[in-house]
This record gives sequence, C-alpha cells and structure tokens, in this order.
Amino acid sequence: GEDVEQSLFLSVREGDSSVINCTYTDSSSTYLYWYKQEPGAGLQLLTYIFSNMDMKQDQRLTVLLNKKDKHLSLRIADTQTGDSAIYFCAAPNSGNTPLVFGKGTRLSVIA
Amino acid sequence: EPEVTQTPSHQVTQMGQEVILRCVPISNHLYFYWYRQILGQKVEFLVSFYNNEISEKSEIFDDQFSVERPDGSNFTLKIRSTKLEDSAMYFCASRRLAGDNNEQFFGPGTRLTVL
Repeated sequence: GEDVEQSLFLSVREGDSSVINCTYTDSSSTYLYWYKQEPGAGLQLLTYIFSNMDMKQDQRLTVLLNKKDKHLSLRIADTQTGDSAIYFCAAPNSGNTPLVFGKGTRLSVIA
Repeated sequence: EPEVTQTPSHQVTQMGQEVILRCVPISNHLYFYWYRQILGQKVEFLVSFYNNEISEKSEIFDDQFSVERPDGSNFTLKIRSTKLEDSAMYFCASRRLAGDNNEQFFGPGTRLTVL
C-alpha cells in the first residue's frame, strides 16, 4: 500500500519562501493532496495536483510533482505568520481513496 | 459554505466504557470516512462507508469499532469498550460520489481521552 513521508519541522522568516517536501510510494495515485491543520482545527484541503501534471500554481502556492522520484513539494511564497500550521501530504491508498497521510510538517514563521 | 460537523469536540471517558462519536457529513455527499490521529503520529484511516455499508476498513478497525448511518444526516463511530490507546483525535470526512478531484472534506475532529 501507499506510504507517505515528510520532514517534521520547518522554520522560516516572514516574507521568505517555504518549501515542504514529501515522498510517496504508490505511483498509481491519481491525485496528491496538501492539507493544512491549524491549532485545534480540522484538516483543510489547501491544494491538490493531478498525477499527470508536473506543476500547479494557485496564488502563493506552487505544487511540484516529480513522478519519477515520487516526490511532491509545496512552496509557499511570501510566507506570513498566518501560514504557521501543520501541513500534511496525502495520497490515496489505491484508486481514489482512502487517504494515506504523512506525519505532517510543522511550519513555524518567525516575524 | 457547507461543512462537515462533529460532536462532541472533546470526550473524556473511563477505560472500558462505550463512546459514540457523531458526524454530520455534507448533505449531498455519499462517501463517508473515519480517520484518527494519535498525538504526534500520522492521521490513520479507519473505515469508509458507502451505500449503507462498510466499503473498506483498516487493521485498526477491529470488532470494538462499528459505524452507522442511523438517519439521513448522521454518521456515527462507536467504540464498544474503550482502551487507553484509543485516545486520539477522530476525524470524520465525506466526499461526493464523483468530483473533479475526489476531495474529502474533513470535520474539525473529536478529541477522545480515555482515562
């Protein structure tokens, strides 16, 4: 089945770019997702990418997908203090669901 | 904007007691899920539910767990005899049958503490 790994912590200065990396194992995943979890809150879908794409840009967010290396990254431009949260990479276990999550990367933004 | 809701937000129970966690999925969604997140660990899939039956379940979802859709709006997770290791955040999620990105919408979670 699918396994998803990501680094646990990232600290950046306000205004800098943040890059959160993720690796996965199942190349048949159709969509790959980034979820955001703020303290005490649930999981909010931040963005996603279809597996036949290399890149997707959505305002300050850029998702890069390297299918050969099974590597997914999330870049947040001009990181703000409000971006401080835990970011989860997620991929479907088989077909479309259920989702397999990484452990989450805790992003800390220093003012 | 429609959202998944869960009650209670925090449940404290004694070991061995039964708990029922409640979820109200988004109204036109047809797939329902339960996930859990033990503190400091990954979010783990428990069970998926479609057409009034379990469609998939993980190894975690043993005989102590059950799910039910008792009416047209609620989706519940029951743990019959709670153990200390059941302490976790439990997330409900739902999705439409067919969507452009198969997005699962998550509720805010119920924090279960077993003493």
